[in-house]
Amino acid sequence: DAKTTQPPSMDCAEGRAANLPCNHSTISGNEYVYWYRQIHSQGPQYIIHGLKNNETNEMASLIITEDRKSSTLILPHATLRDTAVYYCIYQTGANNLFFGTGTRLTVIP
Amino acid sequence: DTGVSQNPRHKITKRGQNVTFRCDPISEHNRLYWYRQTLGQGPEFLTYFQNEAQLEKSRLLSDRFSAERPKGSFSTLEIQRTEQGDSAMYLCASSQLQGRHYGYTFGSGTRLTVV
Repeated sequence: DAKTTQPPSMDCAEGRAANLPCNHSTISGNEYVYWYRQIHSQGPQYIIHGLKNNETNEMASLIITEDRKSSTLILPHATLRDTAVYYCIYQTGANNLFFGTGTRLTVIP
Repeated sequence: DTGVSQNPRHKITKRGQNVTFRCDPISEHNRLYWYRQTLGQGPEFLTYFQNEAQLEKSRLLSDRFSAERPKGSFSTLEIQRTEQGDSAMYLCASSQLQGRHYGYTFGSGTRLTVV
């Protein structure tokens, strides 16, 4: 299974940037890093993905280290609706996603 | 297209009964996946289809579980002789190739409670 390591929980003040780290030291050169989040009782929601370069979309930014062994998801201005479990994943040649236990982000008013 | 649709949203069944869940993927997606998620854990892969062909099954998929995707459209997941350990959220996802990676879209899941 494709192994990633994330802190189990983090807090962030509303309006501040949330920086969620992930270690993926066994990732290989052609495997994408994906970030999903899951709000209680809903299915996982896609946030962003990347291979080598940093990426930004309307939801978040993804910073990938040069050696690709770790990445950071940045929510620039966290809101209460960003409270969720965030999963860092990479897809192996097995063509499916292996989820760990993720980081539970709590945005505090 | 409203995304990936799963029915029912909730199912309560007695131990020993059979249950069937349905997933309607995004219409142009040729890949469909089933995952299971228990409380406090991330989703775990069960099986996936490319069109109508079931290409991979996890060791989690016991003999009591069967999945089908007739004509490569919707899919069903059946659990026979349910056990209390089958209580979980069952998630369906579909995907298609976007450049060099697959973009996955998940449904809202079916929560199964076996009493």
